Amino acid sequence: KNEVEQSPQNLTAQEGEFITINCSYSVGISALHWLQQHPGGGIVSLFMLSSGKKKHGRLIATINIQEKHSSLHITASHPRDSAVYICAAQDTNFGNEKLTFGTGTRLTIIP
Amino acid sequence: DAGITQSPRHKVTETGTPVTLRCHQTENHRYMYWYRQDPGHGLRLIHYSYGVKDTDKGEVSDGYSVSRSKTEDFLLTLESATSSQTSVYFCAISEFGGRIAGNTIYFGEGSWLTVV
Repeated sequence: KNEVEQSPQNLTAQEGEFITINCSYSVGISALHWLQQHPGGGIVSLFMLSSGKKKHGRLIATINIQEKHSSLHITASHPRDSAVYICAAQDTNFGNEKLTFGTGTRLTIIP
Repeated sequence: DAGITQSPRHKVTETGTPVTLRCHQTENHRYMYWYRQDPGHGLRLIHYSYGVKDTDKGEVSDGYSVSRSKTEDFLLTLESATSSQTSVYFCAISEFGGRIAGNTIYFGEGSWLTVV
């Protein structure tokens, strides 16, 4: 069992729909990251969370430390949101330098 | 965008040959990381560096070595490449590392390595 599990693995939605991607982790963490990987391979950091909720534009990320669960929401989805979304737990192993990654959620937004 | 350059971006090499991947940053960040990304796996940490000449192993370090002689450069070497090292390799940088919870991490564009 992976230490960081994402669901769903694949998600196809119509433009404008509200999107939710879930991340559950079993490792001890100091922070939880959400990343976006573009079709060309580049990876961009979207959010870092250690508690509560953060919002940036149409993206919202939440974390429940007690439940060991985080969600990434996209409001009013757009085709340009199509990408792989990855959550990563900043693992307390390896001196806090290890990020344990989920395998990603491939999101496709259809116009 | 953070100034991170990986080279080469694509390489095909033969089994048993040495290969060096270079990560160059212009941000003067202290921490640098090498990850590999394989289908069915999340990115996995190979090695990381917390300063010039200061490096440590990650979770999949076997068959890899690293060096950091300058702040801006972090080299990953496959001493004798094997087919199992065919992967996409990502360099990443971070100003304060993991000890500052949630410190932003920036990724390079990736290096596609095929070992035949």
